[in-house]
Amino acid sequence: QQQVKQSPQSLIVQKGGIPIINCAYENTAFDYFPWYQQFPGKGPALLIAIRPDVSEKKEGRFTISFNKSAKQFSLHIMDSQPGDSATYFCAASLSPGGGNKLTFGTGTQLKVEL
Amino acid sequence: DGGITQSPKYLFRKEGQNVTLSCEQNLNHDAMYWYRQDPGQGLRLIYYSQIVNDFQKGDIAEGYSVSREKKESFPLTVTSAQKNPTAFYLCASSILDGYTFGSGTRLTVV
Repeated sequence: QQQVKQSPQSLIVQKGGIPIINCAYENTAFDYFPWYQQFPGKGPALLIAIRPDVSEKKEGRFTISFNKSAKQFSLHIMDSQPGDSATYFCAASLSPGGGNKLTFGTGTQLKVEL
Repeated sequence: DGGITQSPKYLFRKEGQNVTLSCEQNLNHDAMYWYRQDPGQGLRLIYYSQIVNDFQKGDIAEGYSVSREKKESFPLTVTSAQKNPTAFYLCASSILDGYTFGSGTRLTVV
């Protein structure tokens, strides 16, 4: 049973555009929602994470919007650049530490064109 | 620098052979994890360990085994019972602030 659904599977935007990637979760006990960026042949790197007590979090050009009632969260990339071309994964878990497991979405391949 | 080291970066396995992937961390994290990544399927959990000498099966544990004899080390063995082992394997560790991933091992059956 997939507990985190991610869309779209792939996305192409022009430089300067604002790609938006969406995720939906099922387990209402989840309270940690990170986004990871992965380049080919590399491990995922944490971009930004949010807890359900806030509806939005910004770090640089990356913003997470969180809707607890809808069980959805999304990643916005402002002023996207070709260097942002990568695969993005959303994930969800109970609080990190203590052996709680991350459940991942299936990923979104983003391409930012000049 | 603290982090997670996975080795080797590339590994080739013959049919019927067991191979072991190494994962070492110097972050002093208690919990460690192994994920498998296949194209279009995201990351799926193989095994995880909350503490030394203890580990639990994840969603796709069949054909894999692990050990956790030291806090810093969590090796994964891909056994001959794993019929489709070609994949990218990622090790991770966690603490209250979040999860850290290694750079992965790409395993190919030849």
